[in-house]
Amino acid sequence: NAGVTQTPKFQVLKTGQSMTLQCAQDMNHEYMSWYRQDPGMGLRLIHYSVGAGITDQGEVPNGYNVSRSTTEDFPLRLLSAAPSQTSVYFCASSYMGAEGEKLFFGSGTQLSVL
Amino acid sequence: AQSVAQPEDQVNVAEGNPLTVKCTYSVSGNPYLFWYVQYPNRGLQFLLKYITGDNLVKGSYGFEAEFNKSQTSFHLKKPSALVSDSALYFCAVRDRGGFQKLVFGTGTRLLVSP
Repeated sequence: NAGVTQTPKFQVLKTGQSMTLQCAQDMNHEYMSWYRQDPGMGLRLIHYSVGAGITDQGEVPNGYNVSRSTTEDFPLRLLSAAPSQTSVYFCASSYMGAEGEKLFFGSGTQLSVL
Repeated sequence: AQSVAQPEDQVNVAEGNPLTVKCTYSVSGNPYLFWYVQYPNRGLQFLLKYITGDNLVKGSYGFEAEFNKSQTSFHLKKPSALVSDSALYFCAVRDRGGFQKLVFGTGTRLLVSP
């Protein structure tokens, strides 16, 4: 059981480049989300989805786009990377149920924007 | 807005001694509180949660947390620390309107010395 898989693990971009961070889960979870982790700031919610075709903004959505065409996948797109987007990005999933308050996290993508 | 505060950047404890990692919260309504742990180069892992009921919540790896409404605290505790408990610990609270929309604290690094 792979759980939540994120690719790539590391990425270096130049300012203005675009890229997509991939996230896939094999647990049939309805809920998926993206967080960024910055030193001294904890994790902050970027975007989330409560099911295929449904997405919404979190605390820090600017500069990021998401889509949810399938239950399994929730990619995060940076259209024009900026140095302020240098961070570690985590994808998480969960399900609606008695134990559904527990998030399952991927191992993260470390992104540097030069 | 919902928020949590972790007043200590780092907690040092000797192996075998009890440990406490502090968290205070500020919410409107009933608090839904969580603790997550992050080991080096890994995603976050769920430890425990408080939704309602007993003020002492037991979780994974021998950890427990005490919910104190009058002090608005949710401190993480363990009776006897292990070197392998050394990690980054995050307190979190469920955001408004937000099944699974979590607001995280800034994290506390726990260092257990042999």
